[in-house]
Amino acid sequence: DQQVKQNSPSLSVQEGRISILNCDYTNSMFDYFLWYKKYPAEGPTFLISISSIKDKNEDGRFTVFLNKSAKHLSLHIVPSQPGDSAVYFCAATGTASKLTFGTGTRLQVTL
Amino acid sequence: NAGVTQTPKFRVLKTGQSMTLLCAQDMNHEYMYWYRQDPGMGLRLIHYSVGEGTTAKGEVPDGYNVSRLKKQNFLLGLESAAPSQTSVYFCASSLRFPSNQPQHFGDGTRLSIL
Repeated sequence: DQQVKQNSPSLSVQEGRISILNCDYTNSMFDYFLWYKKYPAEGPTFLISISSIKDKNEDGRFTVFLNKSAKHLSLHIVPSQPGDSAVYFCAATGTASKLTFGTGTRLQVTL
Repeated sequence: NAGVTQTPKFRVLKTGQSMTLLCAQDMNHEYMYWYRQDPGMGLRLIHYSVGEGTTAKGEVPDGYNVSRLKKQNFLLGLESAAPSQTSVYFCASSLRFPSNQPQHFGDGTRLSIL
């Protein structure tokens, strides 16, 4: 049972445009959400997070939006840059001491 | 500034062989985790530890054992390797509960079982 879903395996966006990566979850006990970015042959690195008491969190070019009623979150990257090309993982946690990850979305930013 | 270090980076085993993957962190983190990453499956938690001397099962623990004898080290063991365990293994650590402190990952161990 996949509790965190990223239904788009890949996304291609032109440089300078907005990238929108989506994530859905099913477990209503999740109350904290994170995005990780992964380059080939490297481990994932933390990007941005959001608590369930908020509906938006912004950090530079990255903004995460949370819609609790729809159990949906999204990561917006504006403007997209070639260095943003990577795999992005959505993750969620609740009261347990662990994260549940989605399957990832590969973002390709083209020139 | 090492962070999380995984040893080895690559390994090829034959079915039935055993091996231990080592994870070391120098950030004095309490929590440590072992994940495996397979195509189309994302990161799946194998085992984790919330402190020295403690371990707990994650989502896919079968065929693996772990030990956390020292706070800075978390070992993942395969007693009898199977081809289904061919994967990329990532270790991670966090200071406290993941919602307060994001996890820091190592660069992975690519393991092939023939």
